[in-house]
Parts: sequence; structure tokens; C-alpha cells
Amino acid sequence: EAGVTQFPSHSVIEKGQTVTLRCDPISGHDNLYWYRRVMGKEIKFLLHFVKESKQDESGMPNNRFLAERTGGTYSTLKVQPAELEDSGVYFCASSQQGRNSPLHFGNGTRLTVT
Amino acid sequence: AQSVTQLGSHVSVSEGALVLLRCNYSSSVPPYLFWYVQYPNQGLQLLLKYTTGATLVKGINGFEAEFKKSETSFHLTKPSAHMSDAAEYFCAVTTNSGYSTLTFGKGTMLLVSP
Repeated sequence: EAGVTQFPSHSVIEKGQTVTLRCDPISGHDNLYWYRRVMGKEIKFLLHFVKESKQDESGMPNNRFLAERTGGTYSTLKVQPAELEDSGVYFCASSQQGRNSPLHFGNGTRLTVT
Repeated sequence: AQSVTQLGSHVSVSEGALVLLRCNYSSSVPPYLFWYVQYPNQGLQLLLKYTTGATLVKGINGFEAEFKKSETSFHLTKPSAHMSDAAEYFCAVTTNSGYSTLTFGKGTMLLVSP
């Protein structure tokens, strides 16, 4: 089966611009998660979708970040306007139904804001 | 709140030597503990996990970890390092009886020399 796919793999934008990251989960996985790793720091949880609904968005840093999962398939994470501190690697993960289903991570999108 | 501390941002070993990566956690309730590995330009891959039961857990690629409640530790070991083990390793904890909201450590880069 195809794994979790993230686009783009790298993105370099200027402060104030908008960037949209995309995640295609494994087919059939209802759970979709976004995590972020800022340089030198921990990987931190951003939010969790169950199908198209936001189950937990407690990790979203501020209202410049907007995540969507229309139709319960792929998800997008938009940053508008981007700030320097948004630079980092954004990981997406998906899992099957069930609270103890293991997470499958994508390769991440490396975002650089200059 | 829960937290994870990984001692040493970088660990260097020679090929064939013992690998020991340290992880200590903080949790007010029984934890679920994980080790993930990230190879260059790839996503996070689950190495092993502890949920309940046997405290010594075996994972892929010859790695194992032991849950020690009294020491709040979950150190990762491998008897003999291979060059292919060079990667970044992350310890993570969750306490909600599910895998969704993981709290990660800062990661330890394992360097293996010939």
C-alpha cells in the first residue's frame, strides 16, 4: 500500500507570504494528524482529524494556521501570513480507526520562511 | 502534563559496539512509550512500543527497550551497531490510552563509525 504522502517536500517563502502544505493519508485511514518540528526542538502535535472533523486542535500555535480535511481524504495546512518562527518540518501521520492504531508518518515538508 | 527527556543530542559509537540511547519521561498516569527512528529524508518509523505487560520490549532491526517505572526510564539498546543504524531516534510518550497525541523528546542523532 502507498504510504502517507506529503507535498511539497521543501518550500521556501518570504515572511508575509502564504503557503499551503498537503497531506495524503493512507487510503482508509480515518485519523489524520499534523505535527511540527522547529529546528532543534521537539516534534510537537498540532491537530488531529477524524475523517473530516477536527478532533483536537489544541496544538495549533495561532490563527495564522488553518487546517482542513474536506471529504475526509487529504488534508491541507495553510499558513497565512507566514512568520520566521514558522520555519520547521511539518509532519503528517495517519492511522486506522481505533485509539491504539499505530501512526504512519509521511516524510515531512521542510518549510523555510526568510 | 507529560514530558520526555532524551540525554544527548548526539551519540557516537563504533560499528559493532553497544548502542544505548537514553530516555526519561514524566507522567502522572501510566504511560505508553515509543521509540521512533528517522532515516535521512524519510518519515518517522516506529521501532518499538510499550503499552502494558512485559517491560522488556523488542522492536525491529535488533533494538529493544526496557520500561523501568521506578526510574521513569525507557532506554533503547542494541547489542551491536551497524552502519545502517545511523539515524535520528525519538522517544515519545502518550497517556491517553491511544497513540494520537504523542509527546516527543528532542531526538538523539546516532552516528556510527567504521
